[in-house]
Amino acid sequence: AQSVTQPDIHITVSEGASLELRCNYSYGATPYLFWYVQSPGQGLQLLLKYFSGDTLVQGIKGFEAEFKRSQSSFNLRKPSVHWSDAAEYFCAVGAIRTGANNLFFGTGTRLTVIP
Amino acid sequence: DAGVTQSPTHLIKTRGQQVTLRCSPKSGHDTVSWYQQALGQGPQFIFQYYEEEERQRGNFPDRFSGHQFPNYSSELNVNALLLGDSALYLCASSLIAPQETQYFGPGTRLLVL
Repeated sequence: AQSVTQPDIHITVSEGASLELRCNYSYGATPYLFWYVQSPGQGLQLLLKYFSGDTLVQGIKGFEAEFKRSQSSFNLRKPSVHWSDAAEYFCAVGAIRTGANNLFFGTGTRLTVIP
Repeated sequence: DAGVTQSPTHLIKTRGQQVTLRCSPKSGHDTVSWYQQALGQGPQFIFQYYEEEERQRGNFPDRFSGHQFPNYSSELNVNALLLGDSALYLCASSLIAPQETQYFGPGTRLLVL
């Protein structure tokens, strides 16, 4: 069965510092992987996705993520965090085997940015 | 081009009541998925509709049912509400292929008293 683990419930970083959010997945085949961001009271916005090819994926707002098959990981990074990046971040794996495209989400990592 | 829209934005119900939530997909999309997001948790997949049929279902009881209309909009119905049904209900639309991105609406916040 597919599952996603985000080991960090809450991370605090200073504005301008670098950021790495961890994501580990369990899936029996090559996964489709996603990172979404959710601001308070809002829906989810896609940051980036990985299906195949280059394992380093660029997304919106200066985010990138690297797929590492050997570690079953898809960590999200940003070189310099802005105050507006404070939000909840969710990693998800796509259940492509079922023929549908529903997503399985991790429990999220809350990012706090301090000035 | 409007994105995914959901109504109502907030809802308060009492235990045992029934509720209907509505979703209009992004223009051009034919697939609607529903997710439940409890406080402090990630979204959990309820079910997905395509061509007016339930295509896939997550681990939710039969009290949760849905419908998709010919214009691709969708409804989520929950019967016999429980306190534990209090959550943010998110609708996502996409094309059906697995690699297609799901676009989420702002959600409906349901409180069951």
